[in-house]
Amino acid sequence: DSGVTQTPKHLITATGQRVTLRCSPRSGDLSVYWYQQSLDQGLQFLIQYYNGEERAKGNILERFSAQQFPDLHSELNLSSLELGDSALYFCASSVDSGNSYNEQFFGPGTRLTVL
Amino acid sequence: AQKITQTQPGMFVQEKEAVTLDCTYDTSDQSYGLFWYKQPSSGEMIFLIYQGSYDEQNATEGRYSLNFQKARKSANLVISASQLGDSAMYFCAMRHPRFTTQGGSEKLVFGKGTKLTVNP
Repeated sequence: DSGVTQTPKHLITATGQRVTLRCSPRSGDLSVYWYQQSLDQGLQFLIQYYNGEERAKGNILERFSAQQFPDLHSELNLSSLELGDSALYFCASSVDSGNSYNEQFFGPGTRLTVL
Repeated sequence: AQKITQTQPGMFVQEKEAVTLDCTYDTSDQSYGLFWYKQPSSGEMIFLIYQGSYDEQNATEGRYSLNFQKARKSANLVISASQLGDSAMYFCAMRHPRFTTQGGSEKLVFGKGTKLTVNP
């Protein structure tokens, strides 16, 4: 158990819908990263939040957005869903002290299926 | 741009034998970190081992060791005495500390992965 929690574990929805994925980081970790794992794109970085503020953006679609709340949990919002958004979405947390070694602890992931 | 290449889509090994999973990387930075993660069929990402670009010795963690050849930009994972439970996807990843106007960012860049199957 990494200490990072993600809910829900599975999500099945229809095209055009909107969903929210939730992540709670490890106690003491200020950074939350979101990654998408799909069959065609592999594991890709989406976005990072640090202590409530956006720090970095990767290949995140405009239909996707995220935020980190004062209690440090984070939510990833996916809207106008398309079949291609079906993927495993991971949240990872880290202390991010600026050292190249700051292990990112991954949550169990949310498997999104868009029908 | 940072890039990780894993050229072996699949590997097979007999139980109790050693296996090497290849990873090459591309970067122009001097400071970076290299990670290996294991992803079993259940889906979770499990951290295995880390190597820093300035570390003089190869990293080891139990049955895992990292064969780091900086000049060749390779960071191969060696699993000794393979077990049936080692069957999984293995991902090599790289991280550069980056400092944007908003502060530090340490996203991971992943390779495509290698599927390891351990045969009894």
